[in-house]
Amino acid sequence: QKEVEQNSGPLSVPEGAIASLNCTYSDRGSQSFFWYRQYSGKSPELIMFIYSNGDKEDGRFTAQLNKASQYVSLLIRDSQPSDSATYLCAVIRNTDKLIFGTGTRLQVFP
Amino acid sequence: DTGVSQNPRHKITKRGQNVTFRCDPISEHNRLYWYRQTLGQGPEFLTYFQNEAQLEKSRLLSDRFSAERPKGSFSTLEIQRTEQGDSAMYLCASSLPGAEISYEQYFGPGTRLTVT
Repeated sequence: QKEVEQNSGPLSVPEGAIASLNCTYSDRGSQSFFWYRQYSGKSPELIMFIYSNGDKEDGRFTAQLNKASQYVSLLIRDSQPSDSATYLCAVIRNTDKLIFGTGTRLQVFP
Repeated sequence: DTGVSQNPRHKITKRGQNVTFRCDPISEHNRLYWYRQTLGQGPEFLTYFQNEAQLEKSRLLSDRFSAERPKGSFSTLEIQRTEQGDSAMYLCASSLPGAEISYEQYFGPGTRLTVT
């Protein structure tokens, strides 16, 4: 079992819709959770982080964390074609290294 | 631009050659990380520094890999006797420990290595 699991996609949503990206993790000791966006050929860009159960909102993005279910998600409201990218979920356990999933490719079509 | 910078951006080398990459972190960040990413995978941790101290190395980091951060500022990653399996994007990230338990890491543009 991988430490961080994501559906590789692609997840296709129409412009203006809500995109829902999901991630599960195996280690209950995981403390902090991150979402990175990565455009093709570019490096990851941090868009959200969360470490308490519940929701955290930043503009069009909402991160949701449920530690009991070992589940973290990212919602993107009013999706735009420019949101088309790979979204990487990452966790930190008891050291400071990020452990990444393989990413979910999101396609937003006009 | 005050983000993380990496040089070179691209490197093509022949198998068996040595290569060295440089990373300059965001100026006030005292933690610096190296990751490697291959196609279709998420980045994998290689090593990290707090100031000049190397605090952790991944088992992925064979004896052919060495990293330094001599003055706690920039860092170098050297790969000796490169192999085709070393072809990847090498990513550097930096962070500033804050009051919370998490440390947000910001990535540089990466160095893409191709070993022929």
